[in-house]
Amino acid sequence: EVQLLESGGGLVQPGGSLRLSCAASGFTFSNYAMNWVRQAPGKGLEWVSGISGSGRDTYSPDSVKGRFTISRDNSKNTLYLEMNSLRAEDTAVYYCARPTVTTYITAFDFWGQGTMVTVSS
Amino acid sequence: QSALTQPASVSGSPGQSITISCTGTSSDVGGYNHVSWYQQHPGKAPKLLIYDVSNRPSGVSYRFSGSKSGNTASLTISGLQAEDEADYYCNSYTSSITGVFGGGTKLTVL
Repeated sequence: EVQLLESGGGLVQPGGSLRLSCAASGFTFSNYAMNWVRQAPGKGLEWVSGISGSGRDTYSPDSVKGRFTISRDNSKNTLYLEMNSLRAEDTAVYYCARPTVTTYITAFDFWGQGTMVTVSS
Repeated sequence: QSALTQPASVSGSPGQSITISCTGTSSDVGGYNHVSWYQQHPGKAPKLLIYDVSNRPSGVSYRFSGSKSGNTASLTISGLQAEDEADYYCNSYTSSITGVFGGGTKLTVL
């Protein structure tokens, strides 16, 4: 059974940093690109970052480029999101998501339960 | 990268069919067949309904179908049921090697 379990969320001050983790199980982790998707309270979904199965290639939208870094440790079956220079608008539930096709950074068929990040003073 | 455009809300009666549109540009929806659709109930993680424009993952009801014409993709739900009441999101791969979601559509089953 595929499982994705996020952790690391919490309350952080503006300008601060946080590292999210996503522990994966039930599939061959290194075969799949992985992604982070967020959802601000009462708002829609926003794709945040993607990373290839090997970890060599990473992708992110302009809204987080230079502030967020996605990485993975295939020996630990774990995905990470390092978030720096956090802003109030980064407040959201952050989901780890696996694509249905191994190389995709879209079409997510498995999602974690999400971890809440609140940026506030 | 701008969000894809979806209607804020749609509604229908049980048994009817409804269609939700998702409009982008030639750099995303129109340029690639990597459009997916998701259903999200309150407090839950999204569920994949359609990928690659019209493919249904195993376990997803045949009542959900997808299509695309030019820069607009569509999700059709036939035989509306009360449990279909939820938020629906489209998503597309883009020429910037990123993903972009639509703003979401709230479906009300009357």
